Amino acid sequence: GQQVMQIPQYQHVQEGEDFTTYCNSSTTLSNIQWYKQRPGGHPVFLIQLVKSGEVKKQKRLTFQFGEAKKNSSLHITATQTTDVGTYFCAAPQQIYGGATNKLIFGTGTLLAVQP
Amino acid sequence: SQTIHQWPATLVQPVGSPLSLECTVEGTSNPNLYWYRQAAGRGLQLLFYSVGIGQISSEVPQNLSASRPQDRQFILSSKKLLLSDSGFYLCAWSWARGQVNTEAFFGQGTRLTVV
Repeated sequence: GQQVMQIPQYQHVQEGEDFTTYCNSSTTLSNIQWYKQRPGGHPVFLIQLVKSGEVKKQKRLTFQFGEAKKNSSLHITATQTTDVGTYFCAAPQQIYGGATNKLIFGTGTLLAVQP
Repeated sequence: SQTIHQWPATLVQPVGSPLSLECTVEGTSNPNLYWYRQAAGRGLQLLFYSVGIGQISSEVPQNLSASRPQDRQFILSSKKLLLSDSGFYLCAWSWARGQVNTEAFFGQGTRLTVV
């Protein structure tokens, strides 16, 4: 079945350092989404990428969708303690003829930021 | 605006007891509804998915069941809980298939401990 893998599973950085998490799919995706889950909280939608090679920015966060639409990355510049949490990518399940709305989540990357 | 309600927030249940978690969505119609489970420090496992009343897709064999008696109500149940049912249960909704935006909106989650 469709799998969405993320690396690394865990990253510990000093405040001010950059951080990147990568998401890889076994199948071509119609779109990819990113979520953030604060410790003890629920996942919150950050952004959706649809086009091949698309790059979007939200302040210090940069999201990229691969040319082949099989991978994506989230890069945080100059991390802050407020960035702590688990970052998930997610994508609609791909079936013959298109995509469903059934969201498959990646394995997640836990980011720890030391002040 | 749309809101999602999930309760209770925390639950401690003995092994062998029944379970009923309820989730309701307001402000939209015909949403896709999801139940996810998250083990401590792990990713999101899709348990059930529904595109309409009475339509339930079970993703993994398990001790749980789901029902959708009304358009915006999704219920997760078990007749007899197992220790392995402990975890963080998250209800989510997304726009129906065919909509441009497919991001998921999560409830606050229920932290279930089976003792």
